[in-house]
Amino acid sequence: EAGVTQFPSHSVIEKGQTVTLRCDPISGHDNLYWYRRVMGKEIKFLLHFVKESKQDESGMPNNRFLAERTGGTYSTLKVQPAELEDSGVYFCASSLQVRETQYFGPGTRLLVL
Amino acid sequence: GQQVMQIPQYQHVQEGEDFTTYCNSSTTLSNIQWYKQRPGGHPVFLIQLVKSGEVKKQKRLTFQFGEAKKNSSLHITATQTTDVGTYFCAPDLWGKLIFGQGTELSVKP
Repeated sequence: EAGVTQFPSHSVIEKGQTVTLRCDPISGHDNLYWYRRVMGKEIKFLLHFVKESKQDESGMPNNRFLAERTGGTYSTLKVQPAELEDSGVYFCASSLQVRETQYFGPGTRLLVL
Repeated sequence: GQQVMQIPQYQHVQEGEDFTTYCNSSTTLSNIQWYKQRPGGHPVFLIQLVKSGEVKKQKRLTFQFGEAKKNSSLHITATQTTDVGTYFCAPDLWGKLIFGQGTELSVKP
C-alpha cells in the first residue's frame, strides 16, 4: 500500500511569489491534514479535511494560505504571496477515521528568500 | 488553546543508557499519541494512549498515561543508535494533533 506522498520535496522561491504544495493521501483515507514546522518550533496544525469539506481550518495562519481538496482525493496548499516567515516544512497526513492513526507524508521543505 | 509542554528539549545519552521524555498538559486529555521523527524525516506514529493510568510497551519502549490524564511519558531502556530522533507527544482533538516541542535524543555509540 502506497503511503502519503507530497510534491515537491523541496521548493525555493522568492518573497512575493506563489507556491503550490500537493498531497496525495493513502487511498481510501477520507481525513486529510496539513501541518507545518517552522525552524526551531513545534509542528503546528493547519487544517483538516473530511473528504472535500474543511472540517477545521483553525490553524491557517492568514488569508495568504488557501487549501483545497476538490473531489476529496488529493489536496493542494497554495501560499500567495509567500513571505519569509512561511519557510519551513509542510507535512500532510491522512487517516481512515478521525482520531485514528495519522500517517504523515515526507513533507515539502519550503524556503522563501 | 490546548498546549502541551514536553521536557527535556534535548537529551544526549551514551548507548545503553536509559532515556525518558515527559509530556504535561494543564488540562485533562482524552487521549495522547506519541510520534518519532528521524533527522530529515517525517513524524511516524508510535502509539496512542486513551485510558487513565494506561501503560503500553513496545520492545524497549514503555509509554504511560497519568492517572489524571494530564501527563504522559515515554521511557526507552538501553538506548541504541537507531533510537536517535525527536520524540513528540500529541493529544488528538478530533483529528487536530497538538504537538509538544519534542525531545531530541542523540545517542553516542
